[in-house]
Amino acid sequence: SQQGEEDPQALSIQEGENATMNCSYKTSINNLQWYRQNSGRGLVHLILIRSNEREKHSGRLRVTLDTSKKSSSLLITASRAADTASYFCATDQGGSEKLVFGKGTKLTVNP
Amino acid sequence: GAVVSQHPSRVICKSGTSVKIECRSLDFQATTMFWYRQFPKKSLMLMATSNEGSKATYEQGVEKDKFLINHASLTLSTLTVTSAHPEDSSFYICSAESGTDQETQYFGPGTRLLVL
Repeated sequence: SQQGEEDPQALSIQEGENATMNCSYKTSINNLQWYRQNSGRGLVHLILIRSNEREKHSGRLRVTLDTSKKSSSLLITASRAADTASYFCATDQGGSEKLVFGKGTKLTVNP
Repeated sequence: GAVVSQHPSRVICKSGTSVKIECRSLDFQATTMFWYRQFPKKSLMLMATSNEGSKATYEQGVEKDKFLINHASLTLSTLTVTSAHPEDSSFYICSAESGTDQETQYFGPGTRLLVL
């Protein structure tokens, strides 16, 4: 089955810096979503980008989608210590309700 | 916003016992609920999809007799881990999808299961 892949697996930055995480997938999609997970907790939905969209913004988050390369990136600007979490991308399977998650990027923002 | 709760948040049980985990949508009706399993430092793996009033659809490799799923109402789904073994120890997360927005899943806080 399709499996998203995020890179890097782990990212450590200083507060105020920007953090960029990438996600690649293998099959066609209708949309791609990014989620955040604090350690040992559930997932929080951050942003959804549809296959016909190239870029989307939400607060300090910027998501891009390149369907030709089957990849997406999540940019967090002016990072804060509270942004420390794991970030997952998830794709639908060509219109299915099922989400397939990537392995996640663990982001650490040092104060 | 849509809220999904899970109970218990953490459970420790002895090998051979059964454990029931509840997933509730608190402020919306969830026509579809999903159960995921997450191993340490790993991604979430979908275990099964349940629709209210019908049998759950299990993903390949997931034993339906071991992981019993019941979705008896539009706000409650339960996952029962039967005859639990240490290898069943994991973080179980449910999500719920409303009938009006099938693109967005709302996730519960997760249940940490430890089988001794």
